[in-house]
Amino acid sequence: GAVVSQHPSWVICKSGTSVKIECRSLDFQATTMFWYRQFPKQSLMLMATSNEGSKATYEQGVEKDKFLINHASLTLSTLTVTSAHPEDSSFYICSAPGQGVANTEAFFGQGTRLTVV
Amino acid sequence: EDKVVQSPLSLVVHEGDTVTLNCSYEVTNFRSLLWYKQEKKAPTFLFMLTSSGIEKKSGRLSSILDKKELFSILNITATQTGDSAIYLCAVEKQTGNRKLIWGLGTSLAVNP
Repeated sequence: GAVVSQHPSWVICKSGTSVKIECRSLDFQATTMFWYRQFPKQSLMLMATSNEGSKATYEQGVEKDKFLINHASLTLSTLTVTSAHPEDSSFYICSAPGQGVANTEAFFGQGTRLTVV
Repeated sequence: EDKVVQSPLSLVVHEGDTVTLNCSYEVTNFRSLLWYKQEKKAPTFLFMLTSSGIEKKSGRLSSILDKKELFSILNITATQTGDSAIYLCAVEKQTGNRKLIWGLGTSLAVNP
């Protein structure tokens, strides 16, 4: 099946710094990538949808200037958490939607656990 | 507004028990319903359901969809401690980007 590679898998950073998370589609072209955030023992919360070659679509309540999303190519989408604070500590996961006309499931990256100290 | 509701939110059982997890939905432009299992990392895919009444089975896990009553169940028989996880239900929309609407998940703990 299709593979989405996400890295880093974990990162610790100081308050005020920025962190970039990358998601690459390895054997297919992803025109869309979903970015989720997940707190412990909670479900996935959609933050934004990145679209290759155009601006990302953010969900209500998600700060565009804080969570910068770039989808510059058909195989790479990035999420940058700018000026990170401890409350940004969370698990971030990217996902490419099902591919093709056939019903294939969404493909997830491995997730990035961000800890801001 | 689209919504997916899972129940129960948490469940504790003993090894060998059978569990049934529920997922009901109200989503416009339904395409499919998916079940995922999540342990410590990203969710892993279990089933995709598109048609009513057709059971999907994988080992001790099975699932079925009722598109008339708008719900799905996930059954796990002869549970094992390795089944302990969060089980997530999502409905995929028939939109261009195939957005997923997620339930809150059911946290299952299987005790020895």
